[in-house]
Amino acid sequence: ETGVTQSPTHLIKTRGQQVTLRCSSQSGHNTVSWYQQALGQGPQFIFQYYREEENGRGNFPPRFSGLQFPNYSSELNVNALELDDSALYLCASSLRTGNFYNSPLHFGNGTRLTVT
Amino acid sequence: SQQGEEDPQALSIQEGENATMNCSYKTSINNLQWYRQNSGRGLVHLILIRSNEREKHSGRLRVTLDTSKKSSSLLITASRAADTASYFCATDIRDTGRRALTFGSGTRLQVQP
Repeated sequence: ETGVTQSPTHLIKTRGQQVTLRCSSQSGHNTVSWYQQALGQGPQFIFQYYREEENGRGNFPPRFSGLQFPNYSSELNVNALELDDSALYLCASSLRTGNFYNSPLHFGNGTRLTVT
Repeated sequence: SQQGEEDPQALSIQEGENATMNCSYKTSINNLQWYRQNSGRGLVHLILIRSNEREKHSGRLRVTLDTSKKSSSLLITASRAADTASYFCATDIRDTGRRALTFGSGTRLQVQP
């Protein structure tokens, strides 16, 4: 069973630039969520994708967008980067099936984004 | 905003001692989960307790849930140096098709060998 993998592991960008982060979900998982974790804080929900559509969004502006592909992998895109976007971005996958609402999320190791 | 708040923020104990972390939350939940995070890495799921459960065990872990007080606790017994990590509680509110966990700020546990 392949776990959740994210790329790249680290990234440095300049304010105003755009960035794309990638995530491959755990084998067989059809739902992907993205979380932002600022230093010293808990993760915050950005959005979730299921069947290639956004299926729930947290309190993040539209410059945070995403995609899910037919193989369930996903991308997180952030436009017009701001200094406060510096954080660890975590991808989590799960299987939307009978026990969907009471099953754990499987997280990747994240992408550390630094905006200068 | 973060619904779950862990207490204490940091905890330092000796190997072999027990570690207790508490979590409080604000709204009704479907379940509450505990995750562990080693420095700068991803979250690892530890245990999930449903809203109709009061206590759950997994190995050296014991989790309690009091929905009337909107609180939960995680007990790690006979701690080891390898338990050093940050521990987060996360609440899950059942919402059609959406799984959006709300995390607290975490408890940083240091186990001294």
